[in-house]
Amino acid sequence: GQNIDQPTEMTATEGAIVQINCTYQTSGFNGLFWYQQHAGEAPTFLSYNVLDGLEEKGRLSSFLSRSKGYSYLLLKELQMKDSASYLCAVMDSNYQLIWGAGTKLIIKP
Amino acid sequence: GAVVSQHPSWVICKSGTSVKIECRSLDFQATTMFWYRQFPKQSLMLMATSNEGSKATYEQGVEKDKFLINHASLTLSTLTVTSAHPEDSSFYICSARGGSRGSEGYEQYFGPGTRLTVT
Repeated sequence: GQNIDQPTEMTATEGAIVQINCTYQTSGFNGLFWYQQHAGEAPTFLSYNVLDGLEEKGRLSSFLSRSKGYSYLLLKELQMKDSASYLCAVMDSNYQLIWGAGTKLIIKP
Repeated sequence: GAVVSQHPSWVICKSGTSVKIECRSLDFQATTMFWYRQFPKQSLMLMATSNEGSKATYEQGVEKDKFLINHASLTLSTLTVTSAHPEDSSFYICSARGGSRGSEGYEQYFGPGTRLTVT
Protein backbone atom coordinates (compact mmCIF):
# COMPACT_ATOMS: atom_id res chain seq x y z
CA GLY A 1 0.00 0.00 0.00
CA GLN A 2 0.93 3.64 -0.21
CA ASN A 3 1.92 5.39 2.97
CA ILE A 4 3.11 8.81 4.07
CA ASP A 5 4.29 9.27 7.65
CA GLN A 6 4.92 12.53 9.45
CA PRO A 7 4.72 13.50 13.12
CA THR A 8 1.30 14.51 14.35
CA GLU A 9 2.39 17.56 16.28
CA MET A 10 5.54 19.54 17.03
CA THR A 11 6.25 22.51 19.26
CA ALA A 12 8.96 25.10 18.73
CA THR A 13 9.96 28.49 20.06
CA GLU A 14 9.69 31.77 18.19
CA GLY A 15 12.99 32.60 16.52
CA ALA A 16 14.20 29.00 16.58
CA ILE A 17 14.54 26.36 13.86
CA VAL A 18 12.28 23.35 13.35
CA GLN A 19 12.62 20.32 11.09
CA ILE A 20 9.52 18.39 10.08
CA ASN A 21 10.24 14.92 8.72
CA CYS A 22 8.28 12.91 6.19
CA THR A 23 8.84 9.31 5.11
CA TYR A 24 6.99 7.69 2.27
CA GLN A 25 6.31 4.43 0.50
CA THR A 26 4.47 4.89 -2.78
CA SER A 27 3.96 3.16 -6.09
CA GLY A 28 6.28 5.28 -8.16
CA PHE A 29 7.56 8.76 -7.49
CA ASN A 30 7.07 11.95 -9.43
CA GLY A 31 7.96 14.46 -6.79
CA LEU A 32 7.26 15.46 -3.22
CA PHE A 33 5.34 18.53 -2.15
CA TRP A 34 5.09 20.43 1.09
CA TYR A 35 2.00 22.51 1.77
CA GLN A 36 1.06 24.79 4.65
CA GLN A 37 -2.49 24.81 5.95
CA HIS A 38 -3.83 27.24 8.52
CA ALA A 39 -6.89 26.15 10.45
CA GLY A 40 -10.06 26.53 8.41
CA GLU A 41 -8.19 27.42 5.25
CA ALA A 42 -7.09 25.57 2.14
CA PRO A 43 -3.48 24.40 1.73
CA THR A 44 -0.92 26.68 0.14
CA PHE A 45 2.12 25.46 -1.77
CA LEU A 46 5.51 25.68 -0.10
CA SER A 47 7.96 23.51 -2.02
CA TYR A 48 8.49 20.77 -4.56
CA ASN A 49 11.40 18.32 -4.70
CA VAL A 50 11.90 15.74 -7.41
CA LEU A 51 15.69 15.35 -7.29
CA ASP A 52 17.80 14.47 -4.28
CA GLY A 53 19.16 17.34 -2.30
CA LEU A 54 18.27 20.55 -0.57
CA GLU A 55 16.13 23.34 -1.98
CA GLU A 56 16.30 26.64 -0.14
CA LYS A 57 13.82 29.47 -0.38
CA GLY A 58 14.19 32.22 2.19
CA ARG A 59 13.44 30.91 5.68
CA LEU A 60 12.31 27.62 4.25
CA SER A 61 14.34 24.63 3.03
CA SER A 62 13.18 21.25 1.81
CA PHE A 63 15.32 18.15 1.50
CA LEU A 64 14.75 14.91 -0.40
CA SER A 65 16.42 11.52 -0.42
CA ARG A 66 14.66 9.24 -2.87
CA SER A 67 16.71 6.18 -1.93
CA LYS A 68 15.61 6.54 1.67
CA GLY A 69 12.04 7.61 0.91
CA TYR A 70 12.62 10.62 3.13
CA SER A 71 12.10 14.34 3.11
CA TYR A 72 12.21 17.14 5.62
CA LEU A 73 10.98 20.70 5.76
CA LEU A 74 13.21 23.12 7.66
CA LEU A 75 11.83 26.39 8.92
CA LYS A 76 14.24 28.99 10.30
CA GLU A 77 13.68 32.14 12.37
CA LEU A 78 10.25 30.91 13.34
CA GLN A 79 7.46 33.44 13.59
CA MET A 80 4.13 33.11 15.32
CA LYS A 81 2.40 33.13 11.92
CA ASP A 82 4.22 29.88 11.10
CA SER A 83 1.83 28.09 13.46
CA ALA A 84 -0.07 25.84 11.06
CA SER A 85 -0.30 22.30 9.79
CA TYR A 86 2.36 21.20 7.33
CA LEU A 87 1.32 18.58 4.82
CA CYS A 88 3.70 16.28 2.98
CA ALA A 89 2.38 14.86 -0.30
CA VAL A 90 3.98 12.52 -2.84
CA MET A 91 3.00 12.32 -6.48
CA ASP A 92 2.86 8.66 -7.47
CA SER A 93 3.34 6.97 -10.83
CA ASN A 94 -0.19 7.98 -11.86
CA TYR A 95 0.53 11.62 -11.02
CA GLN A 96 -1.89 11.37 -8.09
CA LEU A 97 -0.99 13.17 -4.89
CA ILE A 98 -0.81 10.91 -1.85
CA TRP A 99 -1.24 13.03 1.27
CA GLY A 100 0.22 12.66 4.72
CA ALA A 101 -1.99 13.42 7.70
CA GLY A 102 -0.12 16.65 8.38
CA THR A 103 2.07 17.92 11.21
CA LYS A 104 0.56 20.55 13.45
CA LEU A 105 3.29 23.03 14.36
CA ILE A 106 2.78 25.08 17.49
CA ILE A 107 5.01 28.11 17.96
CA LYS A 108 5.47 29.42 21.49
CA PRO A 109 6.75 32.91 22.33
CA GLY B 1 -1.06 34.11 -11.25
CA ALA B 2 -2.43 30.59 -10.69
CA VAL B 3 -5.46 31.59 -8.67
CA VAL B 4 -8.33 29.24 -7.97
CA SER B 5 -11.62 30.52 -6.66
CA GLN B 6 -14.38 28.56 -5.01
CA HIS B 7 -17.97 29.55 -4.43
CA PRO B 8 -19.68 29.65 -2.04
CA SER B 9 -17.17 29.89 0.79
CA TRP B 10 -19.72 28.54 3.21
CA VAL B 11 -23.25 27.17 2.95
CA ILE B 12 -25.87 25.89 5.32
CA CYS B 13 -28.58 23.68 3.88
CA LYS B 14 -31.37 21.46 5.11
CA SER B 15 -31.15 17.71 5.04
CA GLY B 16 -32.40 16.30 1.77
CA THR B 17 -31.55 19.31 -0.37
CA SER B 18 -28.77 19.60 -2.94
CA VAL B 19 -25.86 21.99 -2.92
CA LYS B 20 -23.64 23.01 -5.82
CA ILE B 21 -20.07 24.19 -5.29
CA GLU B 22 -18.15 25.90 -8.09
CA CYS B 23 -14.41 25.83 -8.62
CA ARG B 24 -12.79 28.17 -11.11
CA SER B 25 -9.23 28.64 -12.29
CA LEU B 26 -9.03 32.38 -12.84
CA ASP B 27 -5.84 32.87 -14.80
CA PHE B 28 -4.91 29.51 -16.24
CA GLN B 29 -6.49 26.56 -17.97
CA ALA B 30 -6.92 23.65 -15.62
CA THR B 31 -6.67 20.38 -17.49
CA THR B 32 -7.34 18.50 -14.28
CA MET B 33 -9.32 19.46 -11.21
CA PHE B 34 -9.50 17.63 -7.93
CA TRP B 35 -12.14 17.60 -5.23
CA TYR B 36 -11.16 16.95 -1.64
CA ARG B 37 -13.04 16.65 1.61
CA GLN B 38 -11.53 17.39 4.97
CA PHE B 39 -13.07 16.64 8.34
CA PRO B 40 -11.87 18.56 11.40
CA LYS B 41 -8.32 17.72 12.44
CA GLN B 42 -7.98 15.18 9.65
CA SER B 43 -6.00 15.15 6.44
CA LEU B 44 -7.30 15.89 2.99
CA MET B 45 -9.27 13.05 1.43
CA LEU B 46 -9.37 12.96 -2.34
CA MET B 47 -12.91 12.41 -3.54
CA ALA B 48 -12.52 12.55 -7.29
CA THR B 49 -10.37 13.67 -10.17
CA SER B 50 -11.92 15.32 -13.19
CA ASN B 51 -10.49 16.08 -16.59
CA GLU B 52 -12.16 18.62 -18.83
CA GLY B 53 -14.73 17.04 -21.09
CA SER B 54 -14.64 13.57 -19.58
CA LYS B 55 -16.24 11.75 -16.67
CA ALA B 56 -14.74 12.16 -13.25
CA THR B 57 -12.77 9.36 -11.64
CA TYR B 58 -14.04 8.72 -8.14
CA GLU B 59 -12.02 7.33 -5.26
CA GLN B 60 -13.09 4.13 -3.63
CA GLY B 61 -15.96 4.66 -1.23
CA VAL B 62 -17.16 7.91 -2.79
CA GLU B 63 -20.68 7.64 -4.19
CA LYS B 64 -20.83 8.86 -7.76
CA ASP B 65 -24.58 9.47 -7.66
CA LYS B 66 -24.34 11.49 -4.50
CA PHE B 67 -21.38 13.67 -5.43
CA LEU B 68 -21.92 14.79 -9.00
CA ILE B 69 -18.92 16.35 -10.67
CA ASN B 70 -18.99 18.28 -13.89
CA HIS B 71 -15.90 19.69 -15.57
CA ALA B 72 -17.47 21.45 -18.51
CA SER B 73 -14.62 23.78 -19.39
CA LEU B 74 -10.92 24.27 -18.75
CA THR B 75 -11.70 26.86 -16.09
CA LEU B 76 -14.76 25.49 -14.29
CA SER B 77 -15.64 22.37 -12.35
CA THR B 78 -18.68 21.91 -10.15
CA LEU B 79 -19.44 19.51 -7.32
CA THR B 80 -23.07 18.91 -6.46
CA VAL B 81 -23.85 17.21 -3.19
CA THR B 82 -27.25 15.63 -3.77
CA SER B 83 -29.72 14.81 -1.02
CA ALA B 84 -27.33 16.13 1.59
CA HIS B 85 -27.31 14.68 5.09
CA PRO B 86 -25.68 15.93 8.30
CA GLU B 87 -22.81 13.46 7.85
CA ASP B 88 -21.93 15.28 4.60
CA SER B 89 -21.06 18.37 6.62
CA SER B 90 -17.41 19.00 5.92
CA PHE B 91 -14.84 21.31 4.37
CA TYR B 92 -14.77 20.76 0.61
CA ILE B 93 -11.70 21.95 -1.24
CA CYS B 94 -10.99 21.94 -4.95
CA SER B 95 -7.64 22.19 -6.62
CA ALA B 96 -6.57 22.64 -10.20
CA ARG B 97 -3.54 21.53 -12.15
CA GLY B 98 -2.23 22.68 -15.47
CA GLY B 99 -0.91 26.11 -14.57
CA SER B 100 1.74 27.85 -16.57
CA ARG B 101 4.23 27.93 -13.73
CA GLY B 102 5.39 25.88 -10.82
CA SER B 103 6.74 22.40 -10.46
CA GLU B 104 6.62 21.50 -14.13
CA GLY B 105 2.88 21.80 -14.21
CA TYR B 106 2.34 19.19 -11.51
CA GLU B 107 1.57 21.60 -8.73
CA GLN B 108 -1.99 21.74 -7.54
CA TYR B 109 -3.38 25.17 -6.81
CA PHE B 110 -6.07 25.10 -4.17
CA GLY B 111 -9.27 27.03 -3.90
CA PRO B 112 -10.13 28.60 -0.54
CA GLY B 113 -12.57 25.82 0.33
CA THR B 114 -16.30 25.60 1.02
CA ARG B 115 -17.60 24.82 4.46
CA LEU B 116 -20.84 22.87 4.16
CA THR B 117 -23.15 22.45 7.12
CA VAL B 118 -26.21 20.26 6.70
CA THR B 119 -28.88 20.70 9.37
